[in-house]
Amino acid sequence: RKEVEQDPGPFNVPEGATVAFNCTYSNSASQSFFWYRQDCRKEPKLLMSVYSSGNEDGRFTAQLNRASQYISLLIRDSKLSDSATYLCVVNGAGNQFYFGTGTSLTVIP
Amino acid sequence: DAGVIQSPRHEVTEMGQEVTLRCKPISGHDYLFWYRQTMMRGLELLIYFNNNVPIDDSGMPEDRFSAKMPNASFSTLKIQPSEPRDSAVYFCASIQPPNNEQFFGPGTRLTVL
Repeated sequence: RKEVEQDPGPFNVPEGATVAFNCTYSNSASQSFFWYRQDCRKEPKLLMSVYSSGNEDGRFTAQLNRASQYISLLIRDSKLSDSATYLCVVNGAGNQFYFGTGTSLTVIP
Repeated sequence: DAGVIQSPRHEVTEMGQEVTLRCKPISGHDYLFWYRQTMMRGLELLIYFNNNVPIDDSGMPEDRFSAKMPNASFSTLKIQPSEPRDSAVYFCASIQPPNNEQFFGPGTRLTVL
């Protein structure tokens, strides 16, 4: 079983829509959780960390469900500039990090 | 700071040739990671270093791959001999705990013919 699993999509949504991505992880001892964004032919960049109580950054909301071992990312009022691949990241033993394969999002005018 | 620096940005080589990828982490970051990204397998951790010491190399696919970090500001990933299936984008990243945000370099796009 993979350490981190994501629905690869693609998700094609109209501008202004709300879209949600989920990600499951296998190691119940994981302590750190993140969402990264990767634009085409670019490197991944941190979008936001995910905290136990859930956290929000503008149009983006991240949540963690430890009991079910999944994290989610909600994007409200989608913009064309949100089109990218979103990577779920979970830490393993020590400072090792496991990346999901990514979920592709295209926001359509 | 210039961020994580990788070179070359693109490499095209023939099967059997030696390939060396280079990375300069962000100054002061104690951890350095090498990843490989392909469409089929996504982003895979190859090896990571802490204070220049390799901690986990279980992701290195086989003996053809080797990585070194001779000092805090430089690391290399070497493939010898290279094979077409090694074609991928290779990323280097660094972090400084307790902030676990990984800063990635721009990657090296490797094509082995």
